[in-house]
Amino acid sequence: DAGVTQSPTHLIKTRGQQVTLRCSPKSGHDTVSWYQQALGQGPQFIFQYYEEEERQRGNFPDRFSGHQFPNYSSELNVNALLLGDSALYLCASTRDRISTDTQYFGPGTRLTVL
Amino acid sequence: AQSVTQLGSHVSVSEGALVLLRCNYSSSVPPYLFWYVQYPNQGLQLLLKYTSAATLVKGINGFEAEFKKSETSFHLTKPSAHMSDAAEYFCAVSPQGAGGGNKLTFGTGTQLKVEL
Repeated sequence: DAGVTQSPTHLIKTRGQQVTLRCSPKSGHDTVSWYQQALGQGPQFIFQYYEEEERQRGNFPDRFSGHQFPNYSSELNVNALLLGDSALYLCASTRDRISTDTQYFGPGTRLTVL
Repeated sequence: AQSVTQLGSHVSVSEGALVLLRCNYSSSVPPYLFWYVQYPNQGLQLLLKYTSAATLVKGINGFEAEFKKSETSFHLTKPSAHMSDAAEYFCAVSPQGAGGGNKLTFGTGTQLKVEL
């Protein structure tokens, strides 16, 4: 059983560009959350998708947007990249119907903005 | 709002010694609490979680944690450290509620170093 997968592994962009990161949830999971982990910090919640809609959102600007597809996979889009967007972006999946369920994390995408 | 505070950004122990990583939480509602471990260049792996059942929670790799409401703490312990335990450890909190999709709020992490 494959766990949470993310692509690409690494990405280098320049300021002002746009980026798309991808996530496939663990089999049987229907809820996907995205987190940003800056160097030396704990992960910060960006937003969560369930039934193809954004259900919760953290304190991130509108430059950060997402999408969930019918197969539960998800994308994170960041527009007008800033140097401060350089971070490890983590995707986590879980099952909405189980209140005590665990969030399983993928290996992350390392984004570097030059 | 919920938050967690991890005391000590770096902890160093000798191999075979007790591991104690501290976490205190703040929450206006009964929380769920978690410990995750992150090895270099990898994602997060769940060590254990408290979801309002037993207050002493046993996890993987010999780790355990005790939920103490009176102290608002959820410290992580392991009786005997192994070199393979060297990693970064994160405490996290989420609100109780319907659905497994509650967001996690993480602490700033504790880097554990294990010395020979």
